[in-house]
Parts: sequence; C-alpha cells; structure tokens
Amino acid sequence: TVLTQSPGTLSLSPGERATLSCRASQSVSSSYLAWYQQKPGQAPSLLIYGASSRATAIPDRFSGSGSGTDFTLTITRLEPEDFALYYCQQYGNSPPTFGPGTKVDFK
Amino acid sequence: EVQLLDSGGGLVQPGGSLRLSCAAFGFTFRSYAMSWVRQAPGRGLEWVSGISGSGDGTYYTDSVKGRFTISRDNSRNTLYLQMDSLRVDDTAIYYCAQEWANVGVPLFVHWGQGTLVTVSS
Repeated sequence: TVLTQSPGTLSLSPGERATLSCRASQSVSSSYLAWYQQKPGQAPSLLIYGASSRATAIPDRFSGSGSGTDFTLTITRLEPEDFALYYCQQYGNSPPTFGPGTKVDFK
Repeated sequence: EVQLLDSGGGLVQPGGSLRLSCAAFGFTFRSYAMSWVRQAPGRGLEWVSGISGSGDGTYYTDSVKGRFTISRDNSRNTLYLQMDSLRVDDTAIYYCAQEWANVGVPLFVHWGQGTLVTVSS
C-alpha cells in the first residue's frame, strides 16, 4: 500500500492550525493508520493510532480522522515544539508502509 | 519506563556483514513483537523486518529477503538483526521498535535511538 502525504512542507506560525493529509493507494484495513512525529536527530514517536486515537501523553491539540483511503492529522494551535516532520503509516495491509512525510516549519 | 538501546552499527564494505542488537528494558519482552525500521540519510522511514513475541514468526521486506535475518533471545531481552551481503543502498539509521501486540499488529509504540549503518568502499 503506497501512502502519499501532502503538502510536502507546511509553513505556519505558532498558534495557527495545521492540516496534514495522507492518502493510501488502497483501502487501509480496519483504519489501521498511524501518525508519527520526528524531530531532527531523534527517533520517530507515536502520536495517533487507529486513525483517531491519541497515544499516551499526546496533548489533545493533536487529532486524527479519516477512513478507507483518506486520512488527516490536525494540529490546532501550533506550539513551538510541534515544528517537526510527520509521517503516516498503515499497518492494516502487509507489509507495513510509511508515507514520505510532511515537514511543518516556521513561516 | 520502556527503553530500547540499539547498537552494532558501523562502516562496512559492500558484500560485508554486520549484526545489530537491541536491548529492551521496562516491559515483558516476550509478550511483544518487535521490528527493525530504517531511515536512509535525509529520507523517509522503511520497515525492514519483524518477529513475533515467541520468535516463531519472522517477516521481511522484499529487498532484504535472503540477506537479513531477524532473531530474538527472550532470556536476554534482546533483539538482533544479522545483515549479510550488504549493499550501498542498505546505508541507513536502523531503529528497533516495539510493536503493539504479540503478533500481527506492526504499530510501532516505542523506538530505540537508532544505530547508523554505512556501507561503502
């Protein structure tokens, strides 16, 4: 399953809303879609699983939605620590695959 | 607190071998499937291989089948990746990752810090 993320880069200011898209080449089984955040020099960390469930200790400004082939990660009111790379990943079809990422950077 | 400590990376010539290790702490290791995920320099993430909690089931991406072998020692809480016949395009940071469940759900809940493998002559 090929995942496509858009936009490639999102230039925003702190306090603004970020909307990131992930589209799958085929339906993702059981909405097994996750989002990860990666900061420079660090490993990725899990944000969202099951398309819309927040991982442990993830603040509620992060939310996920979608089903089938179209999924969205929304960050309301960007904080300075949210400027990072975001990857979607599907784990419903074999093999698990990742999207190419969306970079959220400072405008 | 879950901790995954990756090690074993380094510089190796094309055709050479390396063995990566991942020491796990803070959870019941045998109860969780584990995976290796890699990231080429400046590139995205690619799942490489996974293994069930018992070690009975192993899975590989097509590009490493027949060259890489994943294994685990549940008595030592350690995951391994034996990499043989290495190619230049295997150059990447390799992360070990704890999966969501014992088998069949490759959702990566916790990640190691990564170990860099460079394949170059």
